[in-house]
Amino acid sequence: KAGVTQTPRYLIKTRGQQVTLSCSPISGHRSVSWYQQTPGQGLQFLFEYFSETQRNKGNFPGRFSGRQFSNSRSEMNVSTLELGDSALYLCASSFGGSRGTDTQYFGPGTRLTVL
Amino acid sequence: GEDVEQSLFLSVREGDSSVINCTYTDSSSTYLYWYKQEPGAGLQLLTYIFSNMDMKQDQRLTVLLNKKDKHLSLRIADTQTGDSAIYFCARGAGSYQLTFGKGTKLSVIP
Repeated sequence: KAGVTQTPRYLIKTRGQQVTLSCSPISGHRSVSWYQQTPGQGLQFLFEYFSETQRNKGNFPGRFSGRQFSNSRSEMNVSTLELGDSALYLCASSFGGSRGTDTQYFGPGTRLTVL
Repeated sequence: GEDVEQSLFLSVREGDSSVINCTYTDSSSTYLYWYKQEPGAGLQLLTYIFSNMDMKQDQRLTVLLNKKDKHLSLRIADTQTGDSAIYFCARGAGSYQLTFGKGTKLSVIP
């Protein structure tokens, strides 16, 4: 079974630009969560999508948004990039059961550098 | 203090056992996880434990949970150089929002 895939693996952008990252979950998984990893703040939850609906959102500004498609693939978008948005962005997929206890499997991440 | 806390570094000799510790504050945690991250890679799920369990063993890995003290540990038996990585403790509480510790960097000395 293929794992979680993320594209692109690396991105370099400049301040003020916007960026879109993509995540394809494991086949059969309907939940996709996004996390930001930085040396200073560690791993922080961005949001979670299930059946094209955002079920949960972390404490990030509105510049960070996401969506999920009918095939469970998800994208996240960051607008008006800031230097502090430089990070490894990880997505995780799970079956997404309503109890919130299904194990999450992570992709390799997208390394975003903002210059 | 932090919601999930781990010591930042651990150094062990090859062949010894490694014990990585984690404490958490939220008693509503239902699942506790251990993930491994190698340089330049994503997170690899190692194991997890339900909050109503005390111990779980999976090959070289043993997880101990002391719910009263909100303390979780991961023991790696016969530690190998390939075990060198950052290990993250994470808790889940009934949603798909995991809260992670800062990670423990394990260095294995040959």
